[in-house]
Amino acid sequence: EAQVTQNPRYLITVTGKKLTVTCSQNMNHEYMSWYRQDPGLGLRQIYYSMNVEVTDKGDVPEGYKVSRKEKRNFPLILESPSPNQTSLYFCASSLKPGGDEQFFGPGTRLTVL
Amino acid sequence: GENVEQHPSTLSVQEGDSAVIKCTYSDSASNYFPWYKQELGKRPQLIIDIRSNVGEKKDQRIAVTLNKTAKHFSLHITETQPEDSAVYFCAAFLYTGNQFYFGTGTSLTVIP
Repeated sequence: EAQVTQNPRYLITVTGKKLTVTCSQNMNHEYMSWYRQDPGLGLRQIYYSMNVEVTDKGDVPEGYKVSRKEKRNFPLILESPSPNQTSLYFCASSLKPGGDEQFFGPGTRLTVL
Repeated sequence: GENVEQHPSTLSVQEGDSAVIKCTYSDSASNYFPWYKQELGKRPQLIIDIRSNVGEKKDQRIAVTLNKTAKHFSLHITETQPEDSAVYFCAAFLYTGNQFYFGTGTSLTVIP
């Protein structure tokens, strides 16, 4: 089944404790993105990747890192989480950027205390 | 960067009526405009999209129109049903930066 998976789905952590949210797609998509969703703000793009080893900042990259060592995986890393990173995070992928359907993962609800 | 504005933020319609959601964008380099539906607790899902070289696209009860000159695009849902109740997001893809910019969402309620 074609899908985008994320783990964990829910995470409660404390300020400063490094964490990684994994994202994987099995559709051989080139373009992958991370978004955060906050009430009243819609979805905001954090980072995106055009292909393996090609990543770039989105609209709100501060406090986040990503890597794309393999085409299928695009982990989101929070080196030192802070309470303002409490949010709902979505990973998404599409075959190509800008014109192909973006498939979203199920979301990760992160709470930073 | 791009700025996408979406209105209204909430919309209630009677079942069977039409619903219209409007978005504007600021950068003429945006060339792809998808619309997503997000049900409560679920992920966003694409319902329709339009490219900048097309003025209108229709898929059964859903249609999208694009006015490049005015930099606005709209989602039209006809013959609304209770299962259309959800949050709808518009987005614009800025090809010069390969980035997506989303509107702030419209919560649509269809009253049976």
